[in-house]
Order: sequence, then C-alpha cells, then structure tokens
Amino acid sequence: EDQVTQSPEALRLQEGESSSLNCSYTVSGLRGLFWYRQDPGKGPEFLFTLYSAGEEKEKERLKATLTKKESFLHITAPKPEDSATYLCAVQAGSARQLTFGSGTQLTVLP
Amino acid sequence: GAVVSQHPSRVICKSGTSVKIECRSLDFQATTMFWYRQFPKQSLMLMATSNEGSKATYEQGVEKDKFLINHASLTLSTLTVTSAHPEDSSFYICSAPDRRTGNEKLFFGSGTQLSVL
Repeated sequence: EDQVTQSPEALRLQEGESSSLNCSYTVSGLRGLFWYRQDPGKGPEFLFTLYSAGEEKEKERLKATLTKKESFLHITAPKPEDSATYLCAVQAGSARQLTFGSGTQLTVLP
Repeated sequence: GAVVSQHPSRVICKSGTSVKIECRSLDFQATTMFWYRQFPKQSLMLMATSNEGSKATYEQGVEKDKFLINHASLTLSTLTVTSAHPEDSSFYICSAPDRRTGNEKLFFGSGTQLSVL
C-alpha cells in the first residue's frame, strides 16, 4: 500500500526565515510526486511535479527536490502570503489517482 | 491551467436530506473525475472515481448507495450525498486530469463544505 508521510505537521516561521518541508514516501513504481498548496476552504492548487530522483523544480520562493525516498519543499525568505497547507501526493503504478500526505500547515508571521 | 468549477461552495442541510454537488470542467474534457473528502486537518481521501458514460468505482468502505456519482457528460460529474447525516459533514473536493497535460496533473475544484445538522 502506498504511504505518504509529511513533516512537520505545522511550521511557524518569521518572514524571511527559510526552511524546508519533508515528504517521505513508500510506493511501488513511482510515476510522479506532486506538491500542492491548499488555502483554507479551497481546493488544492498545483505547484510541482517531480518524476525521478535528483530532479529539482523552482517557482518563485519555492524549490522542490526529490530523492528515492523523500521530497523536500524548500521555502526561501518566505512572506506571509506563503501561509497555507502544503500537500504532497504520489502517483504510482497504473493508477491515475493521487495518494496524499496529511500536509504541513505553514504560517509565516510578519 | 485547466479549470474545474465546483458548486456549491458551502451547504448546510438537515439530517435525512440529500445534497448534490456539481463539478464542471470549463476548458477541457474530463473523461475521469476523482472525488475526495477531507476532514479538518487531515489529508484528502479518495472516495470514488467516475468515468464518463460508465459506473463509478468506489474505494473500500465508501457506500455507493449513499454517495451517488453521475458522470453523464465529458464536462460534468455530480456527487449526491443521500440521506445525509451529521457524520457526513466534511469537505468534498473533485479533481480531474487534463489529457492535454499527459493525464498526470490533477486540477481540483474549490471544494464543498457540507454541514449536516
């Protein structure tokens, strides 16, 4: 059974204080690892897809990396508007649906 | 990116009533729609997968007679919560892959917060 574990559950940062979110996964035949951002009461918003170990993708203050066991979402000099829950999900085997982790709730204080 | 429109965004109903949630793909054809539910501070849990023109596939533990899914066209899928009870209160989200992106990227609706009194 595919498993996705995110840590920490919650993270509070001061504006400008860089940090990383972790997503550990156990799947059979990883096809893609996804990062989404979810604001309260809203559906997830797509951020990145990573396909193979060593791959990195960047978007503004966010950078996602992937190894064979985990992915990191690095946030550089975060701003209050980066506050949200960040979800990690995997797509494995022949399935098209995603298996989600429980998310990291990020709060960036001004 | 592709847009999935979900309505209503919030619904409050009495126990025993039925509630219908609609998801429309606005600028692409959604041959498949995934329905998730999410409890507060928990992850999205897949409930069922609907395919246009065929019966939905339900995940283990999800009652198909309680959560009726219809996917009658390439742009519309509906989830009906029948005889809703307070334990059905949750955040329901639909998502669909856009074949133009290779089917791997899912686009999500904005979610429906269901509160059953």
